[in-house]
Amino acid sequence: NAGVMQNPRHLVRRRGQEARLRCSPMKGHSHVYWYRQLPEEGLKFMVYLQKENIIDESGMPKERFSAEFPKEGPSILRIQQVVRGDSAAYFCASSPLDLGEKLFFGSGTQLSVL
Amino acid sequence: GESVGLHLPTLSVQEGDNSIINCAYSNSASDYFIWYKQESGKGPQFIIDIRSNMDKRQGQRVTVLLNKTVKHLSLQIAATQPGDSAVYFCAETFYGGSQGNLIFGKGTKLSVKP
Repeated sequence: NAGVMQNPRHLVRRRGQEARLRCSPMKGHSHVYWYRQLPEEGLKFMVYLQKENIIDESGMPKERFSAEFPKEGPSILRIQQVVRGDSAAYFCASSPLDLGEKLFFGSGTQLSVL
Repeated sequence: GESVGLHLPTLSVQEGDNSIINCAYSNSASDYFIWYKQESGKGPQFIIDIRSNMDKRQGQRVTVLLNKTVKHLSLQIAATQPGDSAVYFCAETFYGGSQGNLIFGKGTKLSVKP
């Protein structure tokens, strides 16, 4: 029973490039959440998605960041025109339909912007 | 400011001793609390949760205590083992908040000395 799968584990981008982070939720989970973690900090909520719907994006920066969870395939967090301040660990979590609070996290993608 | 915070950023204990990690929260509307363990290079791992209608909940070697009067949460680990070394985060959410929008504290690093 595979857990939440994220890839890539490490992603290096130069300033101005695009970053695409992928997340496959646990089997049977239809809710996906993205969090960002800066060094020595706790996780910060970014966005909550269900299949083909963005439910809550209150933690997403207004520009350059977008997320989707298509009917088929993984959830994608997309960062356009990356800047050094985007360097962080990005974690995806999923939950079953009825347990929105008990989130199961992936191992994260470490984004480094040069 | 942060709604959830921790009293001690680091904690060092001897193997076999009990560990207590503390957490304060400021939102009296919070009604669900979770402790996560995060090992280096990994995503947060669910440890134990508690709802606001409870004062105490026990798991395997772990106990969470909730004191709503002083808005305080603690995680007790019995017979601490080297494998318990990690950063521990408390998180909260509240009725009326977005599902899955957890507010994390900054974390306490637990080091277990053999």
